[in-house]
Amino acid sequence: SQTIHQWPATLVQPVGSPLSLECTVEGTSNPNLYWYRQAAGRGLQLLFYSVGIGQISSEVPQNLSASRPQDRQFILSSKKLLLSDSGFYLCAWKNTGYGYTFGSGTRLTVV
Amino acid sequence: SQQGEEDPQALSIQEGENATMNCSYKTSINNLQWYRQNSGRGLVHLILIRSNEREKHSGRLRVTLDTSKKSSSLLITASRAADTASYFCATERGLIQGAQKLVFGQGTRLTINP
Repeated sequence: SQTIHQWPATLVQPVGSPLSLECTVEGTSNPNLYWYRQAAGRGLQLLFYSVGIGQISSEVPQNLSASRPQDRQFILSSKKLLLSDSGFYLCAWKNTGYGYTFGSGTRLTVV
Repeated sequence: SQQGEEDPQALSIQEGENATMNCSYKTSINNLQWYRQNSGRGLVHLILIRSNEREKHSGRLRVTLDTSKKSSSLLITASRAADTASYFCATERGLIQGAQKLVFGQGTRLTINP
């Protein structure tokens, strides 16, 4: 079966510290992968997407970066977190014809 | 940028009643999707309706699509406490490299009162 794993579930980090969020998918190959961010009580905004290993596209300019070192691994990073990076981060992959599957999310609080 | 708006932003009903949420969008679409998000959790795909479909059912869910009005509605019949969640509509847009992305509305917060 196809599943998506995202961790950690919650994270509290000080301003200026680095960030690494990881997402892995199982049961599919060469998926399109996505990182979304959700501000409190709001809809989701696409941050990055990837159509293959090493291929990263950014939707909005920001303090974050993404990498895809393996086919089913997608990583969201920052070298120095800002207060404005706080939010709920969701990884997703597209299941062709059946919608998108989302991970359980990471609640990031920058203090 | 957000594709459209959900209406209402919040809805509170009694258990057993029907809940209707509406979504409007701005551009032409290939399909429209509805998702549910329980508090603090990831999104769960509920239903996908294609642009050439007018109505679709899945269990207690009924989705309609009116492409002439660029609007969709989600009806949940015989609501249950477990239906309490936020509901989002989303449309797909094309990206470079042949990929697509989901563009979400702001969501409707549904509360089912026992």
